[in-house]
Amino acid sequence: LAKTTQPISMDSYEGQEVNITCSHNNIATNDYITWYQQFPSQGPRFIIQGYKTKVTNEVASLFIPADRKSSTLSLPRVSLSDTAVYYCLVGKHFTGGGNKLTFGTGTQLKVEL
Amino acid sequence: NAGVTQTPKFRVLKTGQSMTLLCAQDMNHEYMYWYRQDPGMGLRLIHYSVGEGTTAKGEVPDGYNVSRLKKQNFLLGLESAAPSQTSVYFCASREGVGEQFFGPGTRLTVL
Repeated sequence: LAKTTQPISMDSYEGQEVNITCSHNNIATNDYITWYQQFPSQGPRFIIQGYKTKVTNEVASLFIPADRKSSTLSLPRVSLSDTAVYYCLVGKHFTGGGNKLTFGTGTQLKVEL
Repeated sequence: NAGVTQTPKFRVLKTGQSMTLLCAQDMNHEYMYWYRQDPGMGLRLIHYSVGEGTTAKGEVPDGYNVSRLKKQNFLLGLESAAPSQTSVYFCASREGVGEQFFGPGTRLTVL
């Protein structure tokens, strides 16, 4: 399983763009990169998933360089409600077996006024 | 749809007692997972299932057993609880390729 490294914590202010970078040097060819968000006392919630280049949805963008050894989650114009722990996961997605995702310690994002 | 539900939400056990945590999903998902999360840590996979009647070990399976007799239910059992099993337990389900849907968690304390 590919190991991921992300900053332990980040601070931001409302209205700013936040970029959280994740390092995954030993990512395998068929691994996908997935980001989850977790609020206190709740289960993680899916944010975005990608394989290469750029993926964008209504809440975030995911940038993946050509070598795929890192990825960056971009949150545009954060608000107080974006204060949470963000996990970067790397794992295989296939229908023939279990999806063994590995959660690291995540990045605690704190957004202030 | 209720999504993924977990029963109970909280439980306090004494060392050596047994209990079963129930996870239920109404999305007809094939895959189900049990994780534990200790304070300040990420989630660690205990056991998982790729379909009804199947189970497999995850990263930290010792001290736990699981069963998937029905597709919608995934049970996690502790036969003889230990203080080291004090944690928050999350269940998740998934269908094929895509995101995992997590339940609200069960907070377990073993005294």
